[in-house]
Amino acid sequence: NAGVTQTPKFQVLKTGQSMTLQCAQDMNHEYMSWYRQDPGMGLRLIHYSVGAGITDQGEVPNGYNVSRSTTEDFPLRLLSAAPSQTSVYFCASSRTGQWGLGDIQYFGAGTRLSVL
Amino acid sequence: SQQGEEDPQALSIQEGENATMNCSYKTSINNLQWYRQNSGRGLVHLILIRSNEREKHSGRLRVTLDTSKKSSSLLITASRAADTASYFCATDDFGQGAQKLVFGQGTRLTINP
Repeated sequence: NAGVTQTPKFQVLKTGQSMTLQCAQDMNHEYMSWYRQDPGMGLRLIHYSVGAGITDQGEVPNGYNVSRSTTEDFPLRLLSAAPSQTSVYFCASSRTGQWGLGDIQYFGAGTRLSVL
Repeated sequence: SQQGEEDPQALSIQEGENATMNCSYKTSINNLQWYRQNSGRGLVHLILIRSNEREKHSGRLRVTLDTSKKSSSLLITASRAADTASYFCATDDFGQGAQKLVFGQGTRLTINP
């Protein structure tokens, strides 16, 4: 099992450019999520999905779009990149996202994004 | 807003000493989880403690939970250089009912040889 795979590992964009951060998991997990990690801010939830065709907003959704057409993939789209989106992005998955039942998250290695 | 807040933000100790990190949260929870993040890597789950548990052990890790004070602590005993990492607590938001796992800001632990 590869677990959670994120691509690319590094990316530099110019302001206004668009791009898609890819995330794939091979554990047949229903729940997937995207976080951004900034110094001193910890991890903040951007969007999450409880299953194919279902997505919802997290704490900091503005400037990001997601879709979930398959169980395996959960891409994160930046439509018009801004310097404020410079960050490290993590994708994570869990079996159901039922934290009250003891579910846990598995993280990818991250994508380091710089927007100039 | 952040649900969990870790204290201290940074901790530096000698190898072999014990390391204690604290986490405070704001709302009722079902359980609390701790994760570790090595530099440049993703987070890895360490241990989960349920709201009806007061203490849990896993190897050199000991986690306590005080729901009356809305706080948890992570103790790493007999620290090793390999324990150098950032440690995060994470909680669900029972009151919201949403499937969001919210992370604190983390404690950066450095073990000096």
